[in-house]
Amino acid sequence: EAQVTQNPRYLITVTGKKLTVTCSQNMNHEYMSWYRQDPGLGLRQIYYSMNVEVTDKGDVPEGYKVSRKEKRNFPLILESPSPNQTSLYFCASSPPGLLSYEQYFGPGTRLTVT
Amino acid sequence: AQSVTQLDSQVPVFEEAPVELRCNYSSSVSVYLFWYVQYPNQGLQLLLKYLSGSTLVKGINGFEAEFNKSQTSFHLRKPSVHISDTAEYFCAVTGALAGRRALTFGSGTRLQVQP
Repeated sequence: EAQVTQNPRYLITVTGKKLTVTCSQNMNHEYMSWYRQDPGLGLRQIYYSMNVEVTDKGDVPEGYKVSRKEKRNFPLILESPSPNQTSLYFCASSPPGLLSYEQYFGPGTRLTVT
Repeated sequence: AQSVTQLDSQVPVFEEAPVELRCNYSSSVSVYLFWYVQYPNQGLQLLLKYLSGSTLVKGINGFEAEFNKSQTSFHLRKPSVHISDTAEYFCAVTGALAGRRALTFGSGTRLQVQP
């Protein structure tokens, strides 16, 4: 089944403890992206990757890192999480092509930082 | 820069009634427009998209939307809703020249279908 998977689905952590949220897609998509969803704000892009080893900042990159060493994986790293990073995080991927702007979303990771 | 405004945060409606969820956007370039649906505790699922061509687009689950360039709107409609349509709906836009394909989302509209 074609899908985007994220792990973990739920995570409670403490301020300053490094964490990684994994994202993997099995559709051979070149483009991948991370969003965070907060009440009343919709989804906002954190980072994106056009292809392996090519990443760039989205609208809200502060406090996050990403890497893209393989086409299928795009982990999100919080090196020193803070309470304002408590949010619902979504990974997404998009097929290649000029008209392939639609994105396929993972199930989400709910992160709580205390 | 681009932005999306969803004019209603909540829309209550009775089962089998018609519904319209409103979306307005602003952008300095040509846009692609999308509607996504989010069921409780799930990710986002694409309902429909406008890339080019006919301004009336049909999506899954009986939904349709009309792109109106002069009014910069992309309202979502369904002629008869079901209880199972209860969910949050997001309008999103991306610029046709936006290499990073960032979707700019509205704040969402919660559709509540009552029996």
